[in-house]
Amino acid sequence: DQQVKQNSPSLSVQEGRISILNCDYTNSMFDYFLWYKKYPAEGPTFLISISSIKDKNEDGRFTVFLNKSAKHLSLHIVPSQPGDSAVYFCAASASGSARQLTFGSGTQLTVLP
Amino acid sequence: KAGVTQTPRYLIKTRGQQVTLSCSPISGHRSVSWYQQTPGQGLQFLFEYFSETQRNKGNFPGRFSGRQFSNSRSEMNVSTLELGDSALYLCASSSPEGHGYTFGSGTRLTVV
Repeated sequence: DQQVKQNSPSLSVQEGRISILNCDYTNSMFDYFLWYKKYPAEGPTFLISISSIKDKNEDGRFTVFLNKSAKHLSLHIVPSQPGDSAVYFCAASASGSARQLTFGSGTQLTVLP
Repeated sequence: KAGVTQTPRYLIKTRGQQVTLSCSPISGHRSVSWYQQTPGQGLQFLFEYFSETQRNKGNFPGRFSGRQFSNSRSEMNVSTLELGDSALYLCASSSPEGHGYTFGSGTRLTVV
């Protein structure tokens, strides 16, 4: 049973446009959410996170939105750059097991020049 | 500061053998976690160590084990290797107050 789902395996966008990556979760105990970016043959790199007490967090070109009632979060990248092309993973954790991250299956983002 | 270091980067083992992977966390980080990444299952949590104690364990068979040393360095061991154990094994460390992890580049294990 996948507790964190990324239903789009791939996404292509034009350089300069907005990239929107989506993630759904089923476990209502999750209260902290993270996005990681991964290049081939490298470990995931932390991008941005959000606590369940917030509904939005921004860091430069990256914004994460959390809709708790829908158990849905999204990562917006504006403007998208070719260097953003990578696999993006959504991850979630629950208080009490904060060190255990449950990951989605990832979305391959391709930003076309 | 130096990142999370995993050794070796690549490993080829034969079915039935055992393997030990090593992870050195970021200096000052006392929590070390291990994840397995496979094309079919994505990133799955193996276990987490803090101050030499296993705090969390994922849903993996007992062939997968780990330990942490007093300097926070960690090792994971897989015994009686199976073809399905072929994967990228990622180690991540975290500071006591943080939720986020810093990952190493991983060890690519191939079982033949």
